[in-house]
Amino acid sequence: AQTVTQSQPEMSVQEAETVTLSCTYDTSESDYYLFWYKQPPSRQMILVIRQEAYKQQNATENRFSVNFQKAAKSFSLKISDSQLGDAAMYFCAYKAGNMLTFGGGTRLMVKP
Amino acid sequence: DAMVIQNPRYQVTQFGKPVTLSCSQTLNHNVMYWYQQKSSQAPKLLFHYYDKDFNNEADTPDNFQSRRPNTSFCFLDIRSPGLGDAAMYLCATSITGNRKEQFFGPGTRLTVL
Repeated sequence: AQTVTQSQPEMSVQEAETVTLSCTYDTSESDYYLFWYKQPPSRQMILVIRQEAYKQQNATENRFSVNFQKAAKSFSLKISDSQLGDAAMYFCAYKAGNMLTFGGGTRLMVKP
Repeated sequence: DAMVIQNPRYQVTQFGKPVTLSCSQTLNHNVMYWYQQKSSQAPKLLFHYYDKDFNNEADTPDNFQSRRPNTSFCFLDIRSPGLGDAAMYLCATSITGNRKEQFFGPGTRLTVL
């Protein structure tokens, strides 16, 4: 069975600085996708970024980028120029077929 | 805008009184999911529909049932809510295939008195 681990229950970053959230996963599949979802307090879960396992190039979406290390089964999220609106729970997720497997989440706090 | 809609956003029920949560989507996605999420935890998949095919997770209690009368709507029925069923219930949709992310609704927060 696939497992996803986020080893940092909470992280804190100063506004305008950079923070990296860690995620590792375990799978025997070769074809899968990885996602980072953001869930602000009392608000909807939304997709931040997606990485295809077959692509070596790391995905980037504006201030958000990933460091995907397939051999190490690592998928970290870097947030540059952090903003107050980035404060949220962040979930790393693995998808093969129709099923998403979530990590336990990292609560990100942004200090003004 | 195409979206996933959940009603109501907040639901209060009494211990043992059946409750139904609803989800609708305008995305025309063929897969719909129900998750239970407790405070500061990851969402836990209860079941999903692949088109009309119902797929129950092995550890989903019998107390939880679901109906999908058509592509757009999916319902979560809790037959006899217990205090432990108080949680946020998330509906999500997707198109079949690995690269297709799941789109989430805003959730229904269930309180059991």
